[in-house]
Amino acid sequence: QVQLVESGGGVAQPGRSLRLSCAASGFTFSTYDMHWVRQAPGKGLEWVAVIWYNGSNDYYADSVKGRFTISRDNSKNTLYLQMNSLRAEDTAVYYCARDWPRGYFDLWGRGTLVTVSS
Amino acid sequence: EIVLTQSPATLSLSPGERATLSCRASQSITGYLAWYQQKPGQVPRLLIYDASNRATGIPARFSGSGSGTDFTLTISSLEPEDFAIYYCQQRSNWPRGSFGQGTKLEIK
Repeated sequence: QVQLVESGGGVAQPGRSLRLSCAASGFTFSTYDMHWVRQAPGKGLEWVAVIWYNGSNDYYADSVKGRFTISRDNSKNTLYLQMNSLRAEDTAVYYCARDWPRGYFDLWGRGTLVTVSS
Repeated sequence: EIVLTQSPATLSLSPGERATLSCRASQSITGYLAWYQQKPGQVPRLLIYDASNRATGIPARFSGSGSGTDFTLTISSLEPEDFAIYYCQQRSNWPRGSFGQGTKLEIK
């Protein structure tokens, strides 16, 4: 079954860190660029970061640049998002998404909720 | 930064009617635009990419058009399951992407 399953969300205090994971199955993970997209409660979608299929390049939204790091382990079919220096405005459901066709998102996980609160 | 503005914010229609949703870009994005549907409690689903190409499994009642800065998603005859929030997304400045703020299509 082709799917993405996120984990690692939870409650964190401002300034602390969390690491999200996204496990892929049912397709050749190592051949796809992968993204993180987030959605604050009751709000729209915000693109967060992308990583090349082989991990050679990554790009970030200005809102998270310098604080978040996207990475992947193709041997484990897993995508990661290391989130440091968390802020209240980072509170959202975080989705991992597959890039296909180029630049669009054809497969989404169910998301994991991150709440940043003291 | 490319900003996408969707209109209207809310569209109230009845099943069987035709829906027309708009997405305007702050600068030309040629044809690099997608549309997604998101139902309550569900993940977004890709409907249209490159302005007018239907994604796999998407019914023919969904169509997209436009180029440059103005784009339209048309649902020819609304089914009950079509009432949802619709987002446009551009990939003109790939690999970065951005979304519009969404249009809520509600039952009248």
